[in-house]
Amino acid sequence: AQKVTQAQTEISVVEKEDVTLDCVYETRDTTYYLFWYKQPPSGELVFLIRRNSFDEQNEISGRYSWNFQKSTSSFNFTITASQVVDSAVYFCALSEAPGGSYIPTFGRGTSLIVHP
Amino acid sequence: ETGVTQTPRHLVMGMTNKKSLKCEQHLGHNAMYWYKQSAKKPLELMFVYSLEERVENNSVPSRFSPECPNSSHLFLHLHTLQPEDSALYLCASSQVLQGDPNYGYTFGSGTRLTVV
Repeated sequence: AQKVTQAQTEISVVEKEDVTLDCVYETRDTTYYLFWYKQPPSGELVFLIRRNSFDEQNEISGRYSWNFQKSTSSFNFTITASQVVDSAVYFCALSEAPGGSYIPTFGRGTSLIVHP
Repeated sequence: ETGVTQTPRHLVMGMTNKKSLKCEQHLGHNAMYWYKQSAKKPLELMFVYSLEERVENNSVPSRFSPECPNSSHLFLHLHTLQPEDSALYLCASSQVLQGDPNYGYTFGSGTRLTVV
């Protein structure tokens, strides 16, 4: 069975601090996808990144970066120089590759609060 | 309009009312999902329609009834709800064909439901 653990329920930082959101997953599949979503107060889950299990390259997009390590089954998300607009709930998710089970498993989410 | 659209954005209903939530996607996806998000609880998958097949979470009460007339539209019919059903209901869509390079889930903004 698939499982996604986001151990940090809530993180509070001051603007301009760097912050890392942890995500640990469990799956028996060799082919799978990992996702990060952002949910601002408006409610919509906004797609941030997708990574497949064969691509362990780290990715950087502006102030966002992701560290995927299959050896530790982790897919951590770092925000550099955080801003107040980064305040949201962030979800990590896992899904088998298309053609298999199409039901994603979400973590419980990490609430990030960035203070000015 | 593109993306996933949910209506209404907000809904207040009495326990004896019957109402329906609507979700529409213009992405050409072939799978649609209903999620329930209650305060302080993880995202709960309620129903999935994929390639005309329906998958449901057996813990969802029968007072929630989904309908998927075609691959672009999804409804959630509500009747005789309870106050504990108050939550944010999110619709999502995805493409489940193997090898799709854009595989991922697109969410709507949700319907915030209050049962009084």
